[in-house]
Amino acid sequence: DVKVTQSSRYLVKRTGEKVFLECVQDMDHENMFWYRQDPGLGLRLIYFSYDVKMKEKGDIPEGYSVSREKKERFSLILESASTNQTSMYLCASNSGLAAGNSPLHFGNGTRLTVT
Amino acid sequence: DQQVKQNSPSLSVQEGRISILNCDYTNSMFDYFLWYKKYPAEGPTFLISISSIKDKNEDGRFTVFLNKSAKHLSLHIVPSQPGDSAVYFCAATSVYNTNAGKSTFGDGTTLTVKP
Repeated sequence: DVKVTQSSRYLVKRTGEKVFLECVQDMDHENMFWYRQDPGLGLRLIYFSYDVKMKEKGDIPEGYSVSREKKERFSLILESASTNQTSMYLCASNSGLAAGNSPLHFGNGTRLTVT
Repeated sequence: DQQVKQNSPSLSVQEGRISILNCDYTNSMFDYFLWYKKYPAEGPTFLISISSIKDKNEDGRFTVFLNKSAKHLSLHIVPSQPGDSAVYFCAATSVYNTNAGKSTFGDGTTLTVKP
């Protein structure tokens, strides 16, 4: 069974701090994604990656960066955290280069609060 | 412009009755549609999907219907059970475009099934 693990369930950070959210998947999936979930806004794509060292901007990349040095690991970085980045962050993965019909496997999320 | 819309934020049904969750999309390039279910404090999990070459897909108590001309899909749950109480997300993607695997999500509908 596919497992996507996010390193922290809850994080509280101060405005201006640099924040790292880590995600690891154990099924050798090519594709990895970072979404944020906010009430009334659904899931919005921040960044995604189709391969090691490769990244693509999603719909709301401003204020974020990512790193994918190994196939199984995809990190989301908040360079200088702000209160409007308080949210639930969800990592996901799926397989294949033409993976439109491959369901996403999600981690359990990281609830980030920026004060 | 929100490309995938779930116009009902919430739905309440009695146990044993049918639950119908609706989803509309605007982008004609979408050709694959998925439903995910999310319990509190967990990540979304894949429930059922449908390709645009079909108009119906069934899996046990869950059936998804697709009306391409209306750009509308619906998820039917029969009979509804209290354990079905969750947030349901509709997602759309394209198998063939260069960003295959990048799903666009609706805002979600919270289903409550009353015993």
